[in-house]
Amino acid sequence: AQTVTQSQPEMSVQEAETVTLSCTYDTSESDYYLFWYKQPPSRQMILVIRQEAYKQQNATENRFSVNFQKAAKSFSLKISDSQLGDAAMYFCAFYSGGGADGLTFGKGTHLIIQP
Amino acid sequence: DGGITQSPKYLFRKEGQNVTLSCEQNLNHDAMYWYRQDPGQGLRLIYYSQIVNDFQKGDIAEGYSVSREKKESFPLTVTSAQKNPTAFYLCASSTGLFQETQYFGPGTRLLVL
Repeated sequence: AQTVTQSQPEMSVQEAETVTLSCTYDTSESDYYLFWYKQPPSRQMILVIRQEAYKQQNATENRFSVNFQKAAKSFSLKISDSQLGDAAMYFCAFYSGGGADGLTFGKGTHLIIQP
Repeated sequence: DGGITQSPKYLFRKEGQNVTLSCEQNLNHDAMYWYRQDPGQGLRLIYYSQIVNDFQKGDIAEGYSVSREKKESFPLTVTSAQKNPTAFYLCASSTGLFQETQYFGPGTRLLVL
């Protein structure tokens, strides 16, 4: 079974600064997908970014980028130019493919943006 | 607009009562999922369905039941056998088999009276 670990229950960053959220995972699979989801106070889960394990290039979506280290089983999220609207819970998630089974989630990191 | 809708937003359950949470999608997605979220926790998979009239248990299926009679709908029933049902319930969908990106509805908060 896969496990996803987010070791930072809470992070705080000044507005306009850069912050990195950590995620590690454990799997015996070689082909899989990794995700970061954002959950604002409305509690709707919003997809931030995804990474295919077979791709060496790190995914980027505007101010959001990842540092994917497959050998280390690490998948961190970097948020540049932090904005007040980035304040939310951030969840790292894993999907191994091979069927329409579900995502495995970490416990989340609460990101606070200081104005 | 395409999307996933869940109703009600809040639901109250009395002891011994079965309640049903609705999930509807108009994205033409084949696969649908139910997750449970407890405070301070990530999401855990309850049930999922790849196609109509087929569904599979997830990690925490005990005390829950589902049906998939239509592609657009995947209702979740929380039965009286679920002794700790208070949680936030999220429905998701994806385009289908081997399609890994899931999109979520707004969720239902279930509380026990």
